[in-house]
Amino acid sequence: GAVVSQHPSWVICKSGTSVKIECRSLDFQATTMFWYRQFPKQSLMLMATSNEGSKATYEQGVEKDKFLINHASLTLSTLTVTSAHPEDSSFYICSAPTSGSSTDTQYFGPGTRLTVL
Amino acid sequence: QKEVEQDPGPLSVPEGAIVSLNCTYSNSAFQYFMWYRQYSRKGPELLMYTYSSGNKEDGRFTAQVDKSSKYISLFIRDSQPSDSATYLCAMGGNNRLAFGKGNQVVVIP
Repeated sequence: GAVVSQHPSWVICKSGTSVKIECRSLDFQATTMFWYRQFPKQSLMLMATSNEGSKATYEQGVEKDKFLINHASLTLSTLTVTSAHPEDSSFYICSAPTSGSSTDTQYFGPGTRLTVL
Repeated sequence: QKEVEQDPGPLSVPEGAIVSLNCTYSNSAFQYFMWYRQYSRKGPELLMYTYSSGNKEDGRFTAQVDKSSKYISLFIRDSQPSDSATYLCAMGGNNRLAFGKGNQVVVIP
């Protein structure tokens, strides 16, 4: 099956710093990638849709200036959490559909656990 | 009513038992139905994918879809301790993808 990787797998940072998370599709090209946040024992919450070569689309309630998304190539999307605070501590997961359709099979990355002190 | 309803559990079963999970949904536009397995602190892994009513079998896993009742199920036969995980249902269609809350399953040796 398709492989999606994320880096780093976990990160601890001080409050006020920025953290960048990378999402890569390893064996296929992804014009669209999705970023989710998952709190303990909760389901996935879609944060934004990352579009290669254009601006990301953010879900209602997600601050686009705080969660910067860059989809610079067909295999890489990055999420930068700017001026992180303890309430941003969560599990961040990206996914990509292999066919390009947003509602087709999603392959997920292994997730990045962010802890903000 | 939420778009996708899934009982979060937890569900504990003895090894070898059949695990039965289900989700209901309210949006008739959903056309694709998926089940994901998520181990603790890992990303979800696609288990089953189907787009039609009926059963789809893959090894010990059977996915069942009833579009008329807006109800999907996942059955795990001969459950193993390694099946202990959270199982999420997901549905797509009309340019939307929605997930259930996830159902935690514990298989006791």
